[in-house]
Amino acid sequence: SQQGEEDPQALSIQEGENATMNCSYKTSINNLQWYRQNSGRGLVHLILIRSNEREKHSGRLRVTLDTSKKSSSLLITASRAADTASYFCATALRAGSGNTPLVFGKGTRLSVIA
Amino acid sequence: DAGVTQSPTHLIKTRGQQVTLRCSPKSGHDTVSWYQQALGQGPQFIFQYYEEEERQRGNFPDRFSGHQFPNYSSELNVNALLLGDSALYLCASNPRQNYNSPLHFGNGTRLTVT
Repeated sequence: SQQGEEDPQALSIQEGENATMNCSYKTSINNLQWYRQNSGRGLVHLILIRSNEREKHSGRLRVTLDTSKKSSSLLITASRAADTASYFCATALRAGSGNTPLVFGKGTRLSVIA
Repeated sequence: DAGVTQSPTHLIKTRGQQVTLRCSPKSGHDTVSWYQQALGQGPQFIFQYYEEEERQRGNFPDRFSGHQFPNYSSELNVNALLLGDSALYLCASNPRQNYNSPLHFGNGTRLTVT
């Protein structure tokens, strides 16, 4: 089963605009991660935010986390055509120890039109 | 520094056959996870290996099995293939001692079952 659900499922914007994607999850987490996937290829890690953090930045990416609402958002500023991809949130469930597997959502398909 | 490599890149099999997919983790990583990604969906966790043993398993039938070798490389075996097994199979690695570290993904094996 999928823990995270991204919203919207698809998003189409003009180059230079900002893109916002949201993720909701169901259970307590240790951290939440965002990944990007270009068509038919492997996933690439973008950013990780821990459960005790509320906001994190990396270049043109801004991630927020609201554990009370069990939700996160990914903002891509000044989008480029090269940002066209699917974006997934993934949660690492809170556990006592060990390597808990990442649980992925269904993703948001972003299209940036030049 | 080679990242995660998977072979083959594409594979076509007939229903009822068996298939073996291979993965070499990123240098320095000892933990390998396998994911199945159906078209338009997010990756679904199959299982995770470290120290040559299956440590975590997702909701997949026993037809899915795996192995990890002393050099940390891994195989995914699927027996009695069904049409529904058609998917992109992704291998990911990370270092166990930093179990919240991001996953590094290979580009996957596209399996088509006819």
